[in-house]
Amino acid sequence: AQSVTQLGSHVSVSEGALVLLRCNYSSSVPPYLFWYVQYPNQGLQLLLKYTTGATLVKGINGFEAEFKKSETSFHLTKPSAHMSDAAEYFCAVSDLRAGGTSYGKLTFGQGTILTVHP
Amino acid sequence: EADIYQTPRYLVIGTGKKITLECSQTMGHDKMYWYQQDPGMELHLIHYSYGVNSTEKGDLSSESTVSRIRTEHFPLTLESARPSHTSQYLCASSESQGFRRTEAFFGQGTRLTVV
Repeated sequence: AQSVTQLGSHVSVSEGALVLLRCNYSSSVPPYLFWYVQYPNQGLQLLLKYTTGATLVKGINGFEAEFKKSETSFHLTKPSAHMSDAAEYFCAVSDLRAGGTSYGKLTFGQGTILTVHP
Repeated sequence: EADIYQTPRYLVIGTGKKITLECSQTMGHDKMYWYQQDPGMELHLIHYSYGVNSTEKGDLSSESTVSRIRTEHFPLTLESARPSHTSQYLCASSESQGFRRTEAFFGQGTRLTVV
């Protein structure tokens, strides 16, 4: 079974400061990993994804994440926070079975609410 | 831009009523999903479908039912709503054919309140 743990349910940063949101996963096969963002009363929007290949992936709005297999981590970073980054962020892992087949089902972490102070 | 739509966005309904939450996508995706999200909590998969006439229950037990008669349409039904069904319901879709695989695209959600 797969699982995702996001460390810190709330993260608060000042505008212009580094954003670091932590995500660790558990998977018995090489994972597909995702970060989604959710604004109040909205659905989820994909920020970035890791499937195969380069372990440092860049996403929208200046976010990036690095897949570290040895640490089973996929932390999300942004060098300089903006007020518009305030939202809830979800890390997710996709089911992926041996042979590369998948139903595309996602297992989510608990979410991290990012607050940005002026 | 993803094209997946949910209606209604907000619904307040009395206990015992039958309700159907609509979800449609125009991307031709074969797979569709329903997730339930309680306030401040993670999303849990309650139903999924990997094609027409196929539906499966997800990881979280739900009293709701789903159908997939057309590729683009994946409605969720509660025969008799109860206050415990109060939650946000998010619909999503994705595509996978062999090793071709897309991420899940989400609708804007339906916030259901049962009074």
